[in-house]
Amino acid sequence: QVQLVQSGAEVRKPGASMKFSCKTSGYTFATYIIHWVRQAPGQRLEWMGWINPNNGATNYAQNFQGRVSMTRDTSINTAFMELYNLKSDDTAVYYCARGGYLDVWGKGTTVTVSS
Amino acid sequence: EIVLTQSPDFQSVAPEEKVTITCRASQSIGNNLHWYQQKPDQSPKLLIKYASQSFSGVPSRFSGSGSGTDFTLTINGLEAEDAATYYCHQTTSLPYNFGQGTKLEI
Repeated sequence: QVQLVQSGAEVRKPGASMKFSCKTSGYTFATYIIHWVRQAPGQRLEWMGWINPNNGATNYAQNFQGRVSMTRDTSINTAFMELYNLKSDDTAVYYCARGGYLDVWGKGTTVTVSS
Repeated sequence: EIVLTQSPDFQSVAPEEKVTITCRASQSIGNNLHWYQQKPDQSPKLLIKYASQSFSGVPSRFSGSGSGTDFTLTINGLEAEDAATYYCHQTTSLPYNFGQGTKLEI
């Protein structure tokens, strides 16, 4: 079955960066875009951007422009997102999700940003 | 950017009742509107895609309608397991914003 497996919880200090991974299985990786969505505690879902695994094309929400990078490694069917210069309000659960209407989601990676 | 506004923010309903959640877009988004269910400490699950198409495996009591700027998620015959927060999401125009969520208490 289709699965998106995300990396485990992490703690980072303000100013650090965090690289998230999203390992996919059960389908052809190149045929579905991967979205990244985050959710701060008690807050709504926030769309961050997408990557097209076929050609590496990306589109980022303006809120994260210059502070986020989405990449992929087709040899291991995995998408990555790196978020730089972390702040305390980046504390959130970060999800990856598949396809045009986000039909399958990973379980999320919790990041806590604290000094 | 397109803003999605859901109503109500919170609703308490009895089992077997019918509930309707609305999502209004600040500009027309055609039918590129999707609905998700999120239970505490879980990732969201797709219920309805493209405004009215039920996603595979979703119980038939969930249905969606609308186009343009006004959309509705209806749950007929509520069950205890439907207690969750429901989000609408548009994929017409960047950024692909979500609504603020509607928390349903059964």
